[in-house]
Amino acid sequence: GAVVSQHPSWVICKSGTSVKIECRSLDFQATTMFWYRQFPKQSLMLMATSNEGSKATYEQGVEKDKFLINHASLTLSTLTVTSAHPEDSSFYICSAVVGLAGPNEQFFGPGTRLTVL
Amino acid sequence: GQNIDQPTEMTATEGAIVQINCTYQTSGFNGLFWYQQHAGEAPTFLSYNVLDGLEEKGRFSSFLSRSKGYSYLLLKELQMKDSASYLCAVKDSNYQLIWGAGTKLIIKP
Repeated sequence: GAVVSQHPSWVICKSGTSVKIECRSLDFQATTMFWYRQFPKQSLMLMATSNEGSKATYEQGVEKDKFLINHASLTLSTLTVTSAHPEDSSFYICSAVVGLAGPNEQFFGPGTRLTVL
Repeated sequence: GQNIDQPTEMTATEGAIVQINCTYQTSGFNGLFWYQQHAGEAPTFLSYNVLDGLEEKGRFSSFLSRSKGYSYLLLKELQMKDSASYLCAVKDSNYQLIWGAGTKLIIKP
């Protein structure tokens, strides 16, 4: 089956620093990747949709200058949390899909737990 | 607006059957997904329905009625490992997934 990896799986950083999270589709080329955030006991919140070679589409309320997304290739997307603050502490999950139509389910990465001190 | 409703939490007994309902109101419909998510982990795909009816896959079945904007996930022969959150998601006319808040299923011995 399709495998998506994320790195790092967890990170602890000081307030004000920037953190980069990588999302890779290991055995397929993903036309689209999604970035989600999930706070404890809450559902997934879509942050942005990313297509290779184009600018990401951000959901309402998500600051594009704070959450920088770079989709450099069909197998790699990165999310950089700039000047992280404690309220950015969350579980960040990426997913990848081959085409948007039909039963093409999103394949999720294992997630990255970010803790900002 | 777009909306997906699921019960917040359900409790069931090991070995029993449980049905988790999902109702939706979305702009367009291009399929409905069920995902399972264990605490602290990413969601994993369970099922996909785009036509009315029942899709069976082992102990799990998913039903869809497009006219009623309704789906359910049926879990049979419950095992302790089935304790998880179950997420209903609908793909809208723009092929974007709209997520429900999830149903936390607690299995008791």
